[in-house]
Amino acid sequence: EAQVTQNPRYLITVTGKKLTVTCSQNMNHEYMSWYRQDPGLGLRQIYYSMNVEVTDKGDVPEGYKVSRKEKRNFPLILESPSPNQTSLYFCASSSPDFSYNEQFFGPGTRLTVL
Amino acid sequence: KNEVEQSPQNLTAQEGEFITINCSYSVGISALHWLQQHPGGGIVSLFMLSSGKKKHGRLIATINIQEKHSSLHITASHPRDSAVYICAGTISNFGNEKLTFGTGTRLTIIP
Repeated sequence: EAQVTQNPRYLITVTGKKLTVTCSQNMNHEYMSWYRQDPGLGLRQIYYSMNVEVTDKGDVPEGYKVSRKEKRNFPLILESPSPNQTSLYFCASSSPDFSYNEQFFGPGTRLTVL
Repeated sequence: KNEVEQSPQNLTAQEGEFITINCSYSVGISALHWLQQHPGGGIVSLFMLSSGKKKHGRLIATINIQEKHSSLHITASHPRDSAVYICAGTISNFGNEKLTFGTGTRLTIIP
C-alpha cells in the first residue's frame, strides 16, 4: 500500500530535550516536505527536499533541522524544542511538478512541548 | 493578507443540502489543490486542477484562472462529508515548487 508514515504519532516532551520525528514513504517520490498546522494559521511549510541530499527552507524553518540521506526518509529534528513548537506536524511526499502530481500526507504527529 | 483565502471558515448544513466552499488566491499559481482533513487529522488529496472542472462522485471542483477563484461543491451532502476542506495553490519560484495553503473550511453536516 502506497503510504507516508510518521513516528511518533503523539509526543509530549520538555523544553530543550532534543527530539526527532521520522517520516518515510514507499512510493519512490523525489519530493518530500514538512508542514506544521496551527489553529487559524493553516498549514505552513517548514522544510522541503527536492531529492536526496537536497534540502531547503520553507516559510517557518527556525528551530528545525532536516536531512535527506535516503530517498525514502526525511526526518525532522528539533535540537532544542520550545513551547512555541507545540503543533500538529505533517510530512508529505510527491513526484515533482505539483501541477500534475498529488501530495501524499502522513497521518500527523501531535507534539506538545512543556 | 493570506495569498490563499477560503470562505466560509465554518459551514453547518442539513444532510442532503448542496454545499459550496470558495477559494480565492492573489498570486500566480500553476495548479490548485483541494484537500480533506477528517477529525482524526489525516489529510487526503481530493482534486488537483489547473483549468476547468473535475468531478469525483458527489464532489465537483471548478477553477476560473482569470478570476483567481476556485470552488468545491458537494451534492447530496452526508454526515460523513463532515471534515475540514483546505485549498492550496502550487507556486513555482526559480524551479522550486511549493504549496501555499488556505486556513480551511470546517464543514459539519447534520443528519
